Amino acid sequence: GNSVTQMEGPVTLSEEAFLTINCTYTATGYPSLFWYVQYPGEGLQLLLKATKADDKGSNKGFEATYRKETTSFHLEKGSVQVSDSAVYFCALSALNPNSGGSNYKLTFGKGTLLTVNP
Amino acid sequence: ETGVTQTPRHLVMGMTNKKSLKCEQHLGHNAMYWYKQSAKKPLELMFVYNFKEQTENNSVPSRFSPECPNSSHLFLHLHTLQPEDSALYLCASSQDLGLGSSYNEQFFGPGTRLTVL
Repeated sequence: GNSVTQMEGPVTLSEEAFLTINCTYTATGYPSLFWYVQYPGEGLQLLLKATKADDKGSNKGFEATYRKETTSFHLEKGSVQVSDSAVYFCALSALNPNSGGSNYKLTFGKGTLLTVNP
Repeated sequence: ETGVTQTPRHLVMGMTNKKSLKCEQHLGHNAMYWYKQSAKKPLELMFVYNFKEQTENNSVPSRFSPECPNSSHLFLHLHTLQPEDSALYLCASSQDLGLGSSYNEQFFGPGTRLTVL
């Protein structure tokens, strides 16, 4: 089946530090890949996505590149801010075998808590 | 209201109570989802509705009963829950483009924090 593995947290950084959160996946076919972010007390929001190999998703200074050869989609940001403190989820979307392959299903990693200190 | 809303935001109930969680999406989407988010576990997909029809039930216990009266509203009826059911319950919606689309971006509500005593 499909699965997503992301680095265990928590991750604690100082403001302006470089961030990497590793994510690898296992999937049949050609999934699309996502990073979602969950700020305290809120639901998940899509941060960025990539739909095919070598695509780079980017948003709000965050980037991730779809690497098919290493089945990875690592999240990076060059200089984090206190406001980036949140839980980050890596996810993939692939055809859902439970529906006879008629729709797509999101599979999430466990999430990584990021805390950025001033 | 915009996006996906959920009520109540917090709920405390005893094991013998019956309660319902409500979700409403204002995005014109045709698919809605219930997820369970527990500490230190991956997000668990519970139910999927496409065009008001349930298309997935991930072996969820019968004490959780979903209802989707139309494409904008989704309910989760709860009865005789267990303490281990305490979690954040998230609703999401998407526009299911069917075969040929490479992804379905899901939009999430803020969740209902449920505590079962």
